[in-house]
Amino acid sequence: DGGITQSPKYLFRKEGQNVTLSCEQNLNHDAMYWYRQDPGQGLRLIYYSQIVNDFQKGDIAEGYSVSREKKESFPLTVTSAQKNPTAFYLCASRQNQETQYFGPGTRLLVL
Amino acid sequence: RKEVEQDPGPFNVPEGATVAFNCTYSNSASQSFFWYRQDCRKEPKLLMSVYSSGNEDGRFTAQLNRASQYISLLIRDSKLSDSATYLCVVVWGGFKTIFGAGTRLFVKA
Repeated sequence: DGGITQSPKYLFRKEGQNVTLSCEQNLNHDAMYWYRQDPGQGLRLIYYSQIVNDFQKGDIAEGYSVSREKKESFPLTVTSAQKNPTAFYLCASRQNQETQYFGPGTRLLVL
Repeated sequence: RKEVEQDPGPFNVPEGATVAFNCTYSNSASQSFFWYRQDCRKEPKLLMSVYSSGNEDGRFTAQLNRASQYISLLIRDSKLSDSATYLCVVVWGGFKTIFGAGTRLFVKA
């Protein structure tokens, strides 16, 4: 089945630790996105990539990093510089002007 | 002014009611418009695209008013299963996608 997968579903981070969230898509989409959603809030864009080996900062990129070495993969690293990382992280992909498709999300909690 | 603004909600309606959501956007160069539905603790899922001529999908009707820069979603004969958060989405510049904060709908028996 075509779609977007994210792993893990839940992730626990210790203070000072970097963690990486996985996002894979087999839809052959060029563009991929990372969003953060806090309780009762809308989606905020962290990073996006329009094409392999290229990515752009979104509205809240500080404390995060990404890579886009392969078309199907867009991992997000939450670094120790992100002081308030607890949130629901959503990955999405899109082709041209079509709609975005979302993965099931990863909930990140700080221990 | 936010780039995309939605009715604050929550909307509490009885089963069978008709409910309407509005969404305004600030960028007149916006190209594509969508309504997404998000259930609690789940990812957003596309409900319907919004076309200039208006479009309908069963009990759901979406409309776009480019002159006034707003889109709307009308839900007729509300069901309990319609309870969710509805997100307005606007796209411009090819890849720039902006999500509204969402409007929560509660349909009660």
